[in-house]
Amino acid sequence: EAQVTQNPRYLITVTGKKLTVTCSQNMNHEYMSWYRQDPGLGLRQIYYSMNVEVTDKGDVPEGYKVSRKEKRNFPLILESPSPNQTSLYFCASSFYGSGANVLTFGAGSRLTVL
Amino acid sequence: QKEVEQNSGPLSVPEGAIASLNCTYSDRGSQSFFWYRQYSGKSPELIMSIYSNGDKEDGRFTAQLNKASQYVSLLIRDSQPSDSATYLCAVNFAMDGQNFVFGPGTRLSVLP
Repeated sequence: EAQVTQNPRYLITVTGKKLTVTCSQNMNHEYMSWYRQDPGLGLRQIYYSMNVEVTDKGDVPEGYKVSRKEKRNFPLILESPSPNQTSLYFCASSFYGSGANVLTFGAGSRLTVL
Repeated sequence: QKEVEQNSGPLSVPEGAIASLNCTYSDRGSQSFFWYRQYSGKSPELIMSIYSNGDKEDGRFTAQLNKASQYVSLLIRDSQPSDSATYLCAVNFAMDGQNFVFGPGTRLSVLP
């Protein structure tokens, strides 16, 4: 089954404790991205990647890091989480290029930072 | 700053009625437009995509695009309680890249 898999789905952590949210897709998509969703603000892009070793900042990159060492994986790293990073996070992927850019989303990861 | 705006909700319609959801975007160069449906606690799922001016129909759903007015809408005919969800408008501002911007969403409630 074609899918985007995120882990963990739920996480409660404390301020300053580094964490990684993994994302993996099995559709051979070039493009992958991370979004956070907060009430009233919709989905905001954190980082995106056009292909292996190619990443770029989205609209809200502060406090996050990403890497794209393999085509299928795009982990989101919070080096020193803070309470304002409490949110619902979605990973998404698609083929790269115009006309083929429908996003497939993962199930989401709900993060709480105390 | 590229922006996508949607009519504020929540929007309530009776079962069987037509629900109309609206979206405007800031960049005239925008190339592709999408409507996603998101049930509470779930991930967004694609309802419609539209790339050219005019109407595009898929079952009970019709997307309308007017690039001159920078406006895209979604009509849901014969609304069902199962259509109750938040509808997200998304715009891809880049010609050959992936610069998606989402609107804040409109929450739709279809009343039995």
